[in-house]
Amino acid sequence: EVQLVESGGGLVQPGRSLRLSCAASGFTFDDYAMHWVRQAPGKGLEWVSGISWNSGSIGYADSVKGRFTISRDNAKNSLYLQMNSLRAEDTALYYCAKDVYSSGWRFDYWGQGTLVTVSS
Amino acid sequence: DIQMTQSPSSLSASVGDRVTITCQASQDISNYLNWYQQKPGKAPKLLIYDASNLETGVPSRFSGSGSGTDFTFTISSLQPEDIATYYCQQYDNLPPLFGPGTKVDIK
Repeated sequence: EVQLVESGGGLVQPGRSLRLSCAASGFTFDDYAMHWVRQAPGKGLEWVSGISWNSGSIGYADSVKGRFTISRDNAKNSLYLQMNSLRAEDTALYYCAKDVYSSGWRFDYWGQGTLVTVSS
Repeated sequence: DIQMTQSPSSLSASVGDRVTITCQASQDISNYLNWYQQKPGKAPKLLIYDASNLETGVPSRFSGSGSGTDFTFTISSLQPEDIATYYCQQYDNLPPLFGPGTKVDIK
């Protein structure tokens, strides 16, 4: 059974940093691209970042480019999102999502999310 | 930048009704469109990929159609467990972009 478990969320002041993690199990992690998708309270879905199976292809939404860094450790079956210079508008539930392909844009499994609140 | 719109933004229908949601892209995206269901308090779930293909395990009352700029998502017979918000997502132009969502509830 595919499982994605996010962690690392919490309350953080504007301008500070936070690192999210996603622990994956139930599938061959290094065969698939992985993504972070967020959802602000009461709002819709926003793709944040994605990384191909071998980290060779990485992309970011314009809203986080230059502030967030996605990475993965295939040996640990883990995905990460380093979030720097956090803003109030980054407040959201952050989902880790598995791609159907090694490098693609279809998200077939999602974690339950970790909540990030940016506030002073 | 590409824009995605969905209509209606919300709807209320009776059990057994046929429900149709439309998704429109501001430019041609071929069939690079997926549909997701998000039940309250839950993570999204992939239902339809490449505009018209049913994801494995998804009930056949769900279907999708369209190509280019205009797409349709249909629930042939609405069930109580279909209460959710439905999102389209394009991936022809990167970054992938979700539509604003359509909230479906029971009348």
